[in-house]
Parts: sequence; structure tokens; C-alpha cells
Amino acid sequence: GQNIDQPTEMTATEGAIVQINCTYQTSGFNGLFWYQQHAGEAPTFLSYNVLDGLEEKGRFSSFLSRSKGYSYLLLKELQMKDSASYLCAVRGPGGYQKVTFGTGTKLQVIP
Amino acid sequence: DTAVSQTPKYLVTQMGNDKSIKCEQNLGHDTMYWYKQDSKKFLKIMFSYNNKELIINETVPNRFSPKSPDKAHLNLHINSLELGDSAVYFCASSRGPGEQFFGPGTRLTVL
Repeated sequence: GQNIDQPTEMTATEGAIVQINCTYQTSGFNGLFWYQQHAGEAPTFLSYNVLDGLEEKGRFSSFLSRSKGYSYLLLKELQMKDSASYLCAVRGPGGYQKVTFGTGTKLQVIP
Repeated sequence: DTAVSQTPKYLVTQMGNDKSIKCEQNLGHDTMYWYKQDSKKFLKIMFSYNNKELIINETVPNRFSPKSPDKAHLNLHINSLELGDSAVYFCASSRGPGEQFFGPGTRLTVL
């Protein structure tokens, strides 16, 4: 099975940088996703890491360390619209369709 | 152009009733999914189909029956609805192991 841990809530200030951590335990690892979900809306894709290292995409970056079972999502130059839940999801064994989501981190950006 | 659409958006019904949720994607994807998101916002996979073939069936009660008439559609039928079925149900699609695109969700309330 898979176990994914994320902080439940975080608060950060507009314009600042915030790092959302995700740790996971899985019997077989085939990639890690980050999704953003605004309240009352569907999750939307942010990033995908399958190899160790940092993937940068505009204000958002995602890091993966497979040996440590660890990932983080880095959000720079925070904007009020970044207030949302951020879901870490791990693709484990059993086919590419099997993606397990963490419980998500609710980020509140304050002025 | 809507990529992944679901109907209805809201569904309020009595315990014991049977209901269906429809999902369509116009992205040309070969894989479709049903997820359940409960009140604690935990997103859990229920079913996955690849080219109309059932790939994942995650210990879901057999009151839930998915049906994929073609690659672009994946419907979910629920028999004998129970209070615990109240949740938001998301349909999603992907091109193989790529990122998943989610529909807007169907908020089901069982009274």
C-alpha cells in the first residue's frame, strides 16, 4: 500500500515564498504529481516528478528525492489567488492508472 | 470548449434511490477515472477504464457500477443510495500515464 503525509494547513503572506512538503511510503514508485484545488472546484495539474531533482515552472517548482520518499512544492511571489489546497499524489505499482492522493495542504495567503 | 464534463453538477436524492452520473471527455484520452472526495477533502480513486476496459476497481461496494460505452464516456450508476455516499464525485481522464484532467465534479447529497 501507500502512505502519503502532508501538513493539513499552512498560512503565508502575499509576495512571500512557501514550501509545502510531502512524504510518502510506497512499495513501488513510478512518479509524483502535485495538483491545485480551489474550494468548490476540480483539481488542476501543477507538476510531475519521476526523477530526483527540481522541476521549475514559472512561480511553481517541485522537488523530488526518491531515496528519502520526499517531495516539496515551492510557490514564489505568492498571490492571493494561490489560496487553495495542494494535493500530493503518488503513482505506485499496479499500472499507471493507480494514483494515490494525499489529504492535501490547505494554503491561506494573507495580505 | 469543455474538456471533461459531468452531469449533473448537483444531485440531491433520498436514501434507497438509484442514480447515475455521466462523464464525457473531448480530449481524445484513452483512460478515464472516477474519484470520490469526502467531506474531509480526501480524494480516493474508485474506478479506472482504459479503452473501455476496467483496469482499477478499488474495493468499492458493488452498488456502484461504472459503464464505459466508448472511450469518451464513463458513467457511474449507484444503486440503493446510502447516507455515506454523500460526497463530491470527480471524473477524470488522461492520455496514458500523463497528467489527469478532472471534470467539475458532481456534489451528491443523500437525505
